[in-house]
Formats: sequence, structure tokens, C-alpha cells
Amino acid sequence: AAGVIQSPRHLIKEKRETATLKCYPIPRHDTVYWYQQGPGQDPQFLISFYEKMQSDKGSIPDRFSAQQFSDYHSELNMSSLELGDSALYFCASSLASGGAATGELFFGEGSRLTVL
Amino acid sequence: GESVGLHLPTLSVQEGDNSIINCAYSNSASDYFIWYKQESGKGPQFIIDIRSNMDKRQGQRVTVLLNKTVKHLSLQIAATQPGDSAVYFCAENRGAAGNKLTFGGGTRVLVKP
Repeated sequence: AAGVIQSPRHLIKEKRETATLKCYPIPRHDTVYWYQQGPGQDPQFLISFYEKMQSDKGSIPDRFSAQQFSDYHSELNMSSLELGDSALYFCASSLASGGAATGELFFGEGSRLTVL
Repeated sequence: GESVGLHLPTLSVQEGDNSIINCAYSNSASDYFIWYKQESGKGPQFIIDIRSNMDKRQGQRVTVLLNKTVKHLSLQIAATQPGDSAVYFCAENRGAAGNKLTFGGGTRVLVKP
């Protein structure tokens, strides 16, 4: 079965540079979520999109932005990178059942960002 | 590079024994709880869920117990296998709509052969 695809899997950037992560949700899933997971930490919710509109916002820095495109893929843009941005970034997707909370998010393998 | 040391609680269990992983949550309004398994270098994988109107739910080799009085959640794994070695997270749905999940601290399970 098709899963959530994230790219790139690994990314190395210098401080103050910009990075873009991409996420391709499971076909027919209409909701995309971004999570950040630091070493030894639990995943922290950043932002989510439902039908291409931002649906919820978490602890996403102002330096980050995200959007969901017409084909439902999503991109997370990170600017003015800091050392503390080094983390695993997970994208997840789900199919909203009329807005009912089912909780079954399907996660991708993650993109590991290292900021030097 | 990565910081040294992952200060996760660790549960060491003998292969074949049962494992119990505990989780405390703080939001009384949360109405949906999920357990995720995360293997090294991979994304979290859904294991089992439970709604707040239930206190127990069983899956294949796994059971989730919910005690709303003390805001406690547990995951029981029967006959633990080497493939069960992973970090386990509980998560709660705090979203007014949709599926915004808030993850709790993980527990590392190490299965000894």
C-alpha cells in the first residue's frame, strides 16, 4: 500500500540558510500534518492542513512556513536556520471523516535536517 | 550532530514476557488516545486507540487501558517479541476538530532474547 513519502530523507544546511521539505500524503488523504522531533524527544506538532487550508497551528516558529498544494502535497519552508532546528521532521496524513477525530495519522519516514 | 544520550525511560523485558508501558496525560478534555510505536530511524506507527467512553480495548497481542479518574493510560503487550523493541509514545487528541495529536514522552522497550 502507498505510504506517506517525504523528501529529502537527509539534508545538511549551514546556519542562516533556507531549507524546504516535501511531503506527499497517502492518495485520497485530505489532511497533512507536520511534526518536529528532536533527539530523544517526542514529536511536536507544527502545523496541519485540511483541503489545502491551514487547519491547526502548533509550535511552529515564525521563520517556518508551510502550505498544501492543489495535488495535496505539502511543503515546509524553513528560513534563517538555527542549530536548534536540527531534528527529524515528520509529515503525516489522514482522511478526515467529516471532521471526526479518529487519530489514525499515517507518518512518513521523516526528513532529517542537520544544521551546521 | 545529534546530542549524546537519549534520556528516555527504558523497559527491559525478556522475550515471551508481557510488557506494560504507562502514560499520564494532563488534559481532562482529551477524548481520544492513541499508542504509537517508533522504530529507530522510522516514523511513528499506529498501534491501537481508545476513546474516552471506554476503559479497555484489545487488539492483536496489545491491550490499552484508560483510567480517566487519574488520567492514566497503559499499553500491555503480550508475549513480547524482539520485533517489539522500539520507542512507544502515547498521544492524545486535543484538537477541537481534526486530528491534532499531542504526544507524551516515549518509553523505550528493549526485548532481551
